[in-house]
Amino acid sequence: DTAVSQTPKYLVTQMGNDKSIKCEQNLGHDTMYWYKQDSKKFLKIMFSYNNKELIINETVPNRFSPKSPDKAHLNLHINSLELGDSAVYFCASSQWRTIGETQYFGPGTRLLVL
Amino acid sequence: AQSVTQLDSQVPVFEEAPVELRCNYSSSVSVYLFWYVQYPNQGLQLLLKYLSGSTLVKGINGFEAEFNKSQTSFHLRKPSVHISDTAEYFCAVNWDTGRRALTFGSGTRLQVQP
Repeated sequence: DTAVSQTPKYLVTQMGNDKSIKCEQNLGHDTMYWYKQDSKKFLKIMFSYNNKELIINETVPNRFSPKSPDKAHLNLHINSLELGDSAVYFCASSQWRTIGETQYFGPGTRLLVL
Repeated sequence: AQSVTQLDSQVPVFEEAPVELRCNYSSSVSVYLFWYVQYPNQGLQLLLKYLSGSTLVKGINGFEAEFNKSQTSFHLRKPSVHISDTAEYFCAVNWDTGRRALTFGSGTRLQVQP
Protein backbone atom coordinates (compact mmCIF):
# COMPACT_ATOMS: atom_id res chain seq x y z
CA ASP A 1 0.00 0.00 0.00
CA THR A 2 2.90 2.34 -0.83
CA ALA A 3 1.66 5.89 -1.43
CA VAL A 4 4.28 7.06 -3.95
CA SER A 5 6.44 4.44 -5.59
CA GLN A 6 9.33 4.74 -7.99
CA THR A 7 11.11 2.22 -10.20
CA PRO A 8 13.88 1.42 -10.35
CA LYS A 9 15.35 2.22 -6.94
CA TYR A 10 18.90 2.08 -8.28
CA LEU A 11 20.13 2.72 -11.80
CA VAL A 12 23.74 2.37 -12.92
CA THR A 13 24.43 3.11 -16.56
CA GLN A 14 27.03 4.31 -19.02
CA MET A 15 27.38 7.82 -20.39
CA GLY A 16 25.40 8.31 -23.57
CA ASN A 17 22.69 5.80 -22.73
CA ASP A 18 18.97 6.59 -22.53
CA LYS A 19 17.03 5.60 -19.41
CA SER A 20 13.58 6.01 -17.88
CA ILE A 21 12.33 6.31 -14.31
CA LYS A 22 8.73 5.56 -13.45
CA CYS A 23 6.56 6.99 -10.67
CA GLU A 24 3.12 5.99 -9.49
CA GLN A 25 0.93 7.35 -6.69
CA ASN A 26 -2.18 5.79 -5.21
CA LEU A 27 -3.23 8.79 -3.13
CA GLY A 28 -5.74 10.11 -5.67
CA HIS A 29 -3.69 13.28 -6.11
CA ASP A 30 -3.89 15.37 -9.27
CA THR A 31 -0.44 16.97 -9.19
CA MET A 32 2.92 15.25 -9.50
CA TYR A 33 6.51 16.47 -9.40
CA TRP A 34 10.08 15.50 -10.16
CA TYR A 35 12.83 16.82 -7.88
CA LYS A 36 16.56 16.27 -8.24
CA GLN A 37 18.85 15.86 -5.22
CA ASP A 38 22.51 16.38 -6.03
CA SER A 39 25.57 14.97 -4.31
CA LYS A 40 25.46 17.79 -1.74
CA LYS A 41 21.87 16.83 -0.84
CA PHE A 42 20.46 19.98 -2.43
CA LEU A 43 16.89 19.44 -3.69
CA LYS A 44 15.51 21.31 -6.68
CA ILE A 45 12.26 21.12 -8.61
CA MET A 46 12.54 19.93 -12.20
CA PHE A 47 8.98 19.45 -13.43
CA SER A 48 5.41 19.51 -12.23
CA TYR A 49 2.24 18.15 -13.82
CA ASN A 50 -1.35 18.93 -12.91
CA ASN A 51 -4.01 16.67 -14.43
CA LYS A 52 -1.49 15.49 -17.03
CA GLU A 53 -0.62 19.06 -18.01
CA LEU A 54 2.94 20.38 -17.63
CA ILE A 55 2.83 23.41 -15.34
CA ILE A 56 6.41 23.79 -14.14
CA ASN A 57 9.44 23.24 -16.32
CA GLU A 58 12.59 24.54 -14.69
CA THR A 59 15.79 25.19 -16.62
CA VAL A 60 16.37 21.53 -17.26
CA PRO A 61 18.26 20.31 -20.37
CA ASN A 62 16.09 19.10 -23.25
CA ARG A 63 17.54 15.64 -22.72
CA PHE A 64 15.06 15.32 -19.84
CA SER A 65 11.50 14.65 -20.94
CA PRO A 66 8.70 14.00 -18.47
CA LYS A 67 5.49 12.25 -19.48
CA SER A 68 2.26 11.87 -17.57
CA PRO A 69 0.00 9.22 -19.14
CA ASP A 70 -2.62 9.76 -16.43
CA LYS A 71 -2.98 11.55 -13.09
CA ALA A 72 -1.49 8.65 -11.15
CA HIS A 73 1.70 8.28 -13.18
CA LEU A 74 4.63 10.51 -14.03
CA ASN A 75 7.65 9.17 -15.87
CA LEU A 76 11.01 10.75 -16.57
CA HIS A 77 13.01 9.86 -19.66
CA ILE A 78 16.62 10.95 -19.95
CA ASN A 79 18.47 10.87 -23.26
CA SER A 80 22.23 10.82 -23.76
CA LEU A 81 23.06 10.53 -20.08
CA GLU A 82 26.00 12.60 -18.79
CA LEU A 83 28.15 12.23 -15.69
CA GLY A 84 26.49 15.29 -14.17
CA ASP A 85 23.11 13.57 -14.28
CA SER A 86 24.20 11.34 -11.40
CA ALA A 87 21.85 12.21 -8.56
CA VAL A 88 18.83 11.00 -6.64
CA TYR A 89 15.56 11.73 -8.41
CA PHE A 90 12.46 12.05 -6.26
CA CYS A 91 8.89 11.90 -7.40
CA ALA A 92 6.23 13.60 -5.28
CA SER A 93 2.49 14.17 -5.43
CA SER A 94 -0.10 16.48 -3.89
CA GLN A 95 -3.56 17.87 -4.38
CA TRP A 96 -3.83 21.08 -6.37
CA ARG A 97 -6.55 22.72 -4.26
CA THR A 98 -4.32 24.95 -2.11
CA ILE A 99 -0.64 25.83 -2.13
CA GLY A 100 -0.19 24.51 1.39
CA GLU A 101 -1.10 20.94 0.46
CA THR A 102 1.51 18.46 1.65
CA GLN A 103 3.72 16.93 -1.00
CA TYR A 104 4.30 13.20 -0.49
CA PHE A 105 7.63 11.88 -1.71
CA GLY A 106 8.64 8.57 -3.18
CA PRO A 107 11.72 6.67 -1.98
CA GLY A 108 13.92 8.07 -4.75
CA THR A 109 15.83 6.63 -7.69
CA ARG A 110 19.58 6.68 -7.27
CA LEU A 111 21.12 7.23 -10.70
CA LEU A 112 24.82 6.71 -11.25
CA VAL A 113 26.27 7.51 -14.66
CA LEU A 114 29.70 6.01 -15.34
CA ALA B 1 14.98 35.97 -5.74
CA GLN B 2 13.17 33.89 -3.19
CA SER B 3 15.45 31.78 -1.02
CA VAL B 4 15.54 29.45 1.96
CA THR B 5 18.57 29.41 4.23
CA GLN B 6 19.59 26.72 6.66
CA LEU B 7 22.68 28.17 8.25
CA ASP B 8 23.87 25.01 9.97
CA SER B 9 24.99 22.24 7.66
CA GLN B 10 25.68 19.92 10.61
CA VAL B 11 24.47 19.90 14.19
CA PRO B 12 26.08 17.39 16.56
CA VAL B 13 24.20 16.86 19.81
CA PHE B 14 24.19 14.37 22.66
CA GLU B 15 21.28 12.04 23.23
CA GLU B 16 18.53 13.52 25.44
CA ALA B 17 19.79 17.07 24.85
CA PRO B 18 17.56 19.72 23.26
CA VAL B 19 18.16 20.80 19.69
CA GLU B 20 17.20 23.69 17.42
CA LEU B 21 17.62 23.61 13.65
CA ARG B 22 17.41 27.02 12.06
CA CYS B 23 15.58 28.07 8.92
CA ASN B 24 15.19 31.54 7.44
CA TYR B 25 13.46 32.52 4.23
CA SER B 26 13.06 35.55 2.05
CA SER B 27 9.59 37.04 2.13
CA SER B 28 7.66 39.38 -0.09
CA VAL B 29 4.35 37.51 -0.03
CA SER B 30 2.62 35.07 2.28
CA VAL B 31 4.42 31.79 2.81
CA TYR B 32 3.65 28.21 3.63
CA LEU B 33 6.41 26.47 5.56
CA PHE B 34 7.42 22.85 5.88
CA TRP B 35 10.01 20.70 7.60
CA TYR B 36 10.88 17.35 6.06
CA VAL B 37 13.18 14.63 7.40
CA GLN B 38 15.28 12.29 5.27
CA TYR B 39 16.69 9.15 6.87
CA PRO B 40 19.69 7.55 5.13
CA ASN B 41 18.84 6.18 1.69
CA GLN B 42 15.17 7.01 2.07
CA GLY B 43 12.68 9.54 0.75
CA LEU B 44 11.45 12.65 2.49
CA GLN B 45 8.87 12.48 5.24
CA LEU B 46 6.86 15.47 6.42
CA LEU B 47 7.55 16.42 10.04
CA LEU B 48 5.25 19.43 10.26
CA LYS B 49 3.94 22.41 8.36
CA TYR B 50 2.68 25.93 8.96
CA LEU B 51 -0.14 27.31 6.85
CA SER B 52 -1.80 29.88 9.10
CA GLY B 53 -3.08 30.35 12.64
CA SER B 54 -1.06 29.50 15.73
CA THR B 55 2.60 30.23 15.19
CA LEU B 56 3.68 27.18 17.20
CA VAL B 57 3.26 24.02 15.18
CA LYS B 58 3.60 20.52 16.58
CA GLY B 59 4.66 17.64 14.38
CA ILE B 60 5.53 13.99 14.54
CA ASN B 61 8.24 12.41 16.70
CA GLY B 62 8.09 15.20 19.31
CA PHE B 63 9.25 17.97 16.97
CA GLU B 64 7.78 21.45 16.92
CA ALA B 65 8.50 24.65 15.03
CA GLU B 66 7.72 28.31 15.53
CA PHE B 67 6.78 30.68 12.73
CA ASN B 68 8.21 34.15 13.28
CA LYS B 69 7.01 36.55 10.62
CA SER B 70 9.11 39.52 11.71
CA GLN B 71 12.28 37.42 11.74
CA THR B 72 11.21 35.45 8.63
CA SER B 73 12.17 32.28 10.45
CA PHE B 74 10.75 28.83 11.03
CA HIS B 75 13.11 27.08 13.44
CA LEU B 76 12.63 23.42 14.32
CA ARG B 77 13.04 22.24 17.91
CA LYS B 78 12.95 19.10 19.98
CA PRO B 79 13.37 19.16 23.77
CA SER B 80 15.12 15.77 23.98
CA VAL B 81 16.62 13.96 21.00
CA HIS B 82 17.14 10.24 20.46
CA ILE B 83 19.76 8.37 18.49
CA SER B 84 17.01 7.55 15.99
CA ASP B 85 16.60 11.26 15.18
CA THR B 86 19.93 11.17 13.33
CA ALA B 87 18.97 12.25 9.81
CA GLU B 88 19.00 15.12 7.32
CA TYR B 89 16.40 17.81 7.95
CA PHE B 90 15.10 20.09 5.21
CA CYS B 91 13.18 23.31 5.53
CA ALA B 92 10.96 24.05 2.53
CA VAL B 93 8.85 27.01 1.49
CA ASN B 94 5.94 27.58 -0.84
CA TRP B 95 5.40 31.27 -1.57
CA ASP B 96 1.82 32.35 -2.20
CA THR B 97 2.38 33.11 -5.88
CA GLY B 98 0.33 30.26 -7.31
CA ARG B 99 3.41 28.18 -8.02
CA ARG B 100 3.13 24.81 -6.33
CA ALA B 101 6.78 23.74 -6.21
CA LEU B 102 8.66 23.65 -2.93
CA THR B 103 11.92 25.54 -2.56
CA PHE B 104 14.22 23.69 -0.19
CA GLY B 105 17.00 24.83 2.07
CA SER B 106 20.34 23.11 1.80
CA GLY B 107 19.59 20.75 4.68
CA THR B 108 20.96 20.25 8.19
CA ARG B 109 22.52 16.98 9.22
CA LEU B 110 21.51 16.18 12.81
CA GLN B 111 24.01 13.79 14.36
CA VAL B 112 22.88 12.45 17.73
CA GLN B 113 25.68 10.96 19.80
CA PRO B 114 25.30 8.61 22.78
